[in-house]
Amino acid sequence: SVLTQPPSVSAAPGQKVSISCAGSNSDIGGQFVSWFQQVPGTAPKLIIYDNTQRPSGIPDRFSASKSGTSATLEITGLQTGDEADYYCATWDFDLSGGLFGGGTRLTVL
Amino acid sequence: QVQLVESGGGVVQPGTSLRLTCAASGLMFNTFPIHWVRQAPGKGLQWVAVISHDGSNENYADSMRGRFTISRDNSEKTVYLHITGLGADDTAVYYCAGNDTLSFWGQGTLVTVSS
Repeated sequence: SVLTQPPSVSAAPGQKVSISCAGSNSDIGGQFVSWFQQVPGTAPKLIIYDNTQRPSGIPDRFSASKSGTSATLEITGLQTGDEADYYCATWDFDLSGGLFGGGTRLTVL
Repeated sequence: QVQLVESGGGVVQPGTSLRLTCAASGLMFNTFPIHWVRQAPGKGLQWVAVISHDGSNENYADSMRGRFTISRDNSEKTVYLHITGLGADDTAVYYCAGNDTLSFWGQGTLVTVSS
C-alpha cells in the first residue's frame, strides 16, 4: 500500500495505543485522512474523518491527528471490543483516487 | 438514514463479466457520491471506484481502469459496478460505501472467480 501502517499493535485493557499511517505529499500531505475500524467478518466502519472528526456515536476514546505526510490514530481506555483491523484512508491528488493503508490488527491482550 | 445493500456476487468463470448492484434505501440518495471498495480474502481494503452524486463524474483506481465501469440510476437509487475479463485476483468481497467520507457501508457481496 502507498499508505504505510504497522501490521499489528497490542496493549492491555485500559491502556492506550497509537497506530501510525505514513504517506506522501500527493496524498496525506494535501488531503483529509479518515480511519476505519473493521471487525473481521463485518463491513468497515468510519471512526474518524477530516483528520480529527468523530462521527456521532464514536466514543471520544478514539482520536486522531495529522502532521505533514503522516497521521496517527489513538485509542485510550482499551476494551476487548476494540479488537479489530484499523485502516487509514485518504485521496491521492495525482491519481484522483482513494487510498487505503495496509491495515493494522489491534490485539487487546 | 441511508442503508446500502450489495448484490450480484457469486462464483464466476475466469474471463467472464459481472455486474454488481448497490441498492439504497432512505432519502437523499442523489446528493452523495458512492464508492466501491473491495477486500480479497485475508487482505486489506482496496479502493476501486467512485461516482459523483449525479453520475457526471467517475474515477477509478489505476489498476481497475479499463475493466471496471461504475454507473448509477438515481431514479432507482442504485449504483452498479460492471467488471469484465474477471480473473482470480478479482476474487474479493465488494462493498459499496456512501458519501465523500465513506460514512456508511453495505454488508458486501462476495465474488469468487474460479473454474
